[in-house]
Amino acid sequence: AQSVSQHNHHVILSEAASLELGCNYSYGGTVNLFWYVQYPGQHLQLLLKYFSGDPLVKGIKGFEAEFIKSKFSFNLRKPSVQWSDTAEYFCAENTGGFKTIFGAGTRLFVKA
Amino acid sequence: GAGVSQTPSNKVTEKGKYVELRCDPISGHTALYWYRQSLGQGPEFLIYFQGTGAADDSGLPNDRFFAVRPEGSVSTLKIQRTERGDSAVYLCASSLLGNEQFFGPGTRLTVL
Repeated sequence: AQSVSQHNHHVILSEAASLELGCNYSYGGTVNLFWYVQYPGQHLQLLLKYFSGDPLVKGIKGFEAEFIKSKFSFNLRKPSVQWSDTAEYFCAENTGGFKTIFGAGTRLFVKA
Repeated sequence: GAGVSQTPSNKVTEKGKYVELRCDPISGHTALYWYRQSLGQGPEFLIYFQGTGAADDSGLPNDRFFAVRPEGSVSTLKIQRTERGDSAVYLCASSLLGNEQFFGPGTRLTVL
């Protein structure tokens, strides 16, 4: 069965620190990959997505993610976090059939 | 424009009762998804509609769960004989075909 693993359940960083959140997916074929974010009190919203092409994907608010097929990974990065990045981050995959599998999420807390 | 809306925002019911949860997708979005999110977990896929038909209902946990979308717009998730384990946040999302999913605020279901 498809699965998505997020290695860190809770991350605490100080402002201006660099961020990398790990994500590994299981499907060995063609996948579409996503990072979603849920800010406190808000809906889930899309940060970035990878369908094909350049494996380095840039999203909103300075986030980026790199698709590494050989490692089944799609890690999320941001060079310098801000207090406003405090949120829960979810990695997700689908195999083109619209059924989307989410990871368990990583709660990020950024200290001001 | 209006986003995805879900009603009610909160529902408290007793074990064994029947509940209906409603989702109003973004106008014109042909695809509609239902997810269930338990505490500390990511959204768990339940069912996906393309138009009026359920294109993939493989995530419905058992036959107590049923969803409809009779006119290809509003969808209702129906849960019969509710159990305490059904307590969760039920999320709805809509999209244009396979593009970005837009999520609603969710319905928090509590089964006493």
